[in-house]
Amino acid sequence: DAKTTQPPSMDCAEGRAANLPCNHSTISGNEYVYWYRQIHSQGPQYIIHGLKNNETNEMASLIITEDRKSSTLILPHATLRDTAVYYCIVRGIQGAQKLVFGQGTRLTINP
Amino acid sequence: SAVISQKPSRDICQRGTSLTIQCQVDSQVTMMFWYRQQPGQSLTLIATANQGSEATYESGFVIDKFPISRPNLTFSTLTVSNMSPEDSSIYLCSVSRGPDTQYFGPGTRLTVL
Repeated sequence: DAKTTQPPSMDCAEGRAANLPCNHSTISGNEYVYWYRQIHSQGPQYIIHGLKNNETNEMASLIITEDRKSSTLILPHATLRDTAVYYCIVRGIQGAQKLVFGQGTRLTINP
Repeated sequence: SAVISQKPSRDICQRGTSLTIQCQVDSQVTMMFWYRQQPGQSLTLIATANQGSEATYESGFVIDKFPISRPNLTFSTLTVSNMSPEDSSIYLCSVSRGPDTQYFGPGTRLTVL
């Protein structure tokens, strides 16, 4: 039931910006884009979320296209500790708050 | 954020037995969720547990197999009943802190022989 499409894997060099794309062409007006990541053998970690404006926090930046059909998560200076599976999730704020996880993108940061 | 602990962190069980997993949160939360992550797979929601009401189960999950308790606003348990090797998974609880964000526990790694 996941409403997002992500590449299964990506590689990035340490110290470079990692740009993770996500397509969500069926997103509705009241649905937000969330990003979580799961480092091996740990529970998922919240990264960032947004509705239509670009967002930035201490972990990452989220760029959402004007038509909201796709977004990009940017890790500005990737480190080896950023190696993880990254999940892009579309979810409404009201009503059921469950998260529907797709397969995500396995990001590998190389030294 | 929220500090969430789970017990046990891992266990190895014999088929036909049951295991109860505990989830403790450091402060009161309205909604708690239980997820399963089978080997090499993504997370799948089992049920939503609200205090004072019956848990709401997702398609494919039933109360007889995965009974859930939610006795107060900081605690929940998930029981995996009559286990088989197909139940070998990581079981994770999460909590909703406000409408925006869910926080996850570290997970319980279950192996059924």
